[in-house]
Amino acid sequence: GAVVSQHPSRVICKSGTSVKIECRSLDFQATTMFWYRQFPKQSLMLMATSNEGSKATYEQGVEKDKFLINHASLTLSTLTVTSAHPEDSSFYICSASRDLQPQHFGDGTRLSIL
Amino acid sequence: QKEVEQNSGPLSVPEGAIASLNCTYSDRGSQSFFWYRQYSGKSPELIMSIYSNGDKEDGRFTAQLNKASQYVSLLIRDSQPSDSATYLCAVNKNNFNKFYFGSGTKLNVKP
Repeated sequence: GAVVSQHPSRVICKSGTSVKIECRSLDFQATTMFWYRQFPKQSLMLMATSNEGSKATYEQGVEKDKFLINHASLTLSTLTVTSAHPEDSSFYICSASRDLQPQHFGDGTRLSIL
Repeated sequence: QKEVEQNSGPLSVPEGAIASLNCTYSDRGSQSFFWYRQYSGKSPELIMSIYSNGDKEDGRFTAQLNKASQYVSLLIRDSQPSDSATYLCAVNKNNFNKFYFGSGTKLNVKP
């Protein structure tokens, strides 16, 4: 089946640090990539949707200057959490999709800001 | 009204029983429907996709779609403790940019 690779799987860093998370579709070209955040025991929350070569569409309440998304190719999207603070600690998950095909998720990145 | 609604559970079934998970959606124009399984602390994994009315079977899993009633369900036969997870229903409205996820139903399969 489709494989989406997400890296790193875990990040622990100090407050004020910027953290970049990569999401790659390994065996298909993804027309759309999605970024989610999930707090413990809560449901997935869509942060933004990105299409290759165009600006990401952010969900209401998600700061675009805080969460920078780059989708430079059909196989790679990155999420940068800028100047991270403890409240940004969460489980970040990317997914990739092509046309109307199902989304395939990466393994997620557990971000802990001290 | 939420786009996709699921009972949060938990749904408890004994090992070997059939688990029935249900999902309703609000937009009649929805075209594609998916079930994902998410273990605690892990990301969701795709179990089934269904695009037309009726049943679709894959091993112990059967997805059922009824567009007239706007519901989609997932049956798990011969439930195993390893099936214990949160099951997410997702709907695509014929717009590949937009998927809507339910909040998930937690399933506990008791040995």
